[in-house]
Amino acid sequence: DIQMTQSPSTLSASVGDRVTITCRASQSISSWLAWYQQKPGKAPKLLIYKASSLESGVPSRFSGSGSGTEFTLTISSLQPDDFATYYCQQLWTFGQGTKVEIK
Amino acid sequence: QVQLQESGPGLVKPSETLSLTCTVSGGSISSYYWSWIRQPAGKGLEWIGRIYTSGSTNYNPSLKSRVTMSVDTSKNQFSLKLSSVTAADTAVYYCARDRVTELASTYYYYGMDVWGQGTTVTVSS
Repeated sequence: DIQMTQSPSTLSASVGDRVTITCRASQSISSWLAWYQQKPGKAPKLLIYKASSLESGVPSRFSGSGSGTEFTLTISSLQPDDFATYYCQQLWTFGQGTKVEIK
Repeated sequence: QVQLQESGPGLVKPSETLSLTCTVSGGSISSYYWSWIRQPAGKGLEWIGRIYTSGSTNYNPSLKSRVTMSVDTSKNQFSLKLSSVTAADTAVYYCARDRVTELASTYYYYGMDVWGQGTTVTVSS
């Protein structure tokens, strides 16, 4: 089974900061990776698919990169609405999540 | 636009079977994969399994022995059954539309783009 490992588990940042979250797969998954944002009490929201494709309606400050086993989600300038938990996912496994909190 | 709504009992007794249904509105259930995901309170997301409208399924290996999914295209619904539940199965259960393409046994994955609001299931006597 492919395992997905995110780092860090928690990230403290300020509005306007550039934020990067890393997701590593235990074996190559090519570019078949998705990123989600989840706020408390809400369902996850798809941000990025196929590692770097921005889902329709998602702000352009979100970007994804990587292939093979190492991937990143970047928020270019953190906004108040971005404080949330972020998950990476390959076909049948989620990462453990990264909580982005206010510094 | 497409919307999903989970329904089913909020309380299930230990050792019994959890049964949930997801109703798809605003679009057809056909020609898509549909997934179930769960999230225990304060914890991360766990993919349970997915079903195509043909009825073909993929299940999480850790739950495979207890999971059954089915689809009813006439009602635009798909369902989850999880048998022999314990307290560890207490969670918020989500259904989602899953963008997957399968060609010659290779899966190409584009993410879950539509989610239900989630339903809380508690396992307790």
